[in-house]
Amino acid sequence: EAGVTQFPSHSVIEKGQTVTLRCDPISGHDNLYWYRRVMGKEIKFLLHFVKESKQDESGMPNNRFLAERTGGTYSTLKVQPAELEDSGVYFCASSQVKVRTTEAFFGQGTRLTVV
Amino acid sequence: AQTVTQSQPEMSVQEAETVTLSCTYDTSESNYYLFWYKQPPSRQMILVIRQEAYKQQNATENRFSVNFQKAAKSFSLKISDSQLGDTAMYFCAFCPSNTGKLIFGQGTTLQVKP
Repeated sequence: EAGVTQFPSHSVIEKGQTVTLRCDPISGHDNLYWYRRVMGKEIKFLLHFVKESKQDESGMPNNRFLAERTGGTYSTLKVQPAELEDSGVYFCASSQVKVRTTEAFFGQGTRLTVV
Repeated sequence: AQTVTQSQPEMSVQEAETVTLSCTYDTSESNYYLFWYKQPPSRQMILVIRQEAYKQQNATENRFSVNFQKAAKSFSLKISDSQLGDTAMYFCAFCPSNTGKLIFGQGTTLQVKP
């Protein structure tokens, strides 16, 4: 069974440009989460999808970030326009039910560098 | 605010020895879930062990066990008979009962030396 897959693994963009990160969850997992780790700090929650609906987007830093999950399958996280402070590693995770009662499976992350 | 603190940024241990990683958290909830995740170099994060707050018995998974002290809001991870493959960054995480999100600590980098 394939795990959680994230594309690209690395991205270097200039300030002001747009970047789109993609996450393919494990098939059948209704719950999809986005997290990010900035500059060696703690991993912070961004948002949580249940199927195609946003269950919790309390961690989204500002309106430059847009997450979608069309059809309840893969998800994209777009940053537009990117700022220097957006640099970090963006993780995606998926689970069958809410993570408190089951295991969340993580992707390898996308390392985003904004220069 | 609910927070998780890992006070040891880096630790090292000799192969076959035992090491304990510390984690404290802050919450006003009585029912929640605690996790330890491991991220080996250049690989994805995987679950090591989980603990439900209403269970008094400490969770164990083979060489990994926790010391859960609810009153002290402490959740340490003990790794027995350390192996080279245990070298990784370890994250302690807290999940409030009414949400699906994880709140992570800053991580502890563990180096197992031969």
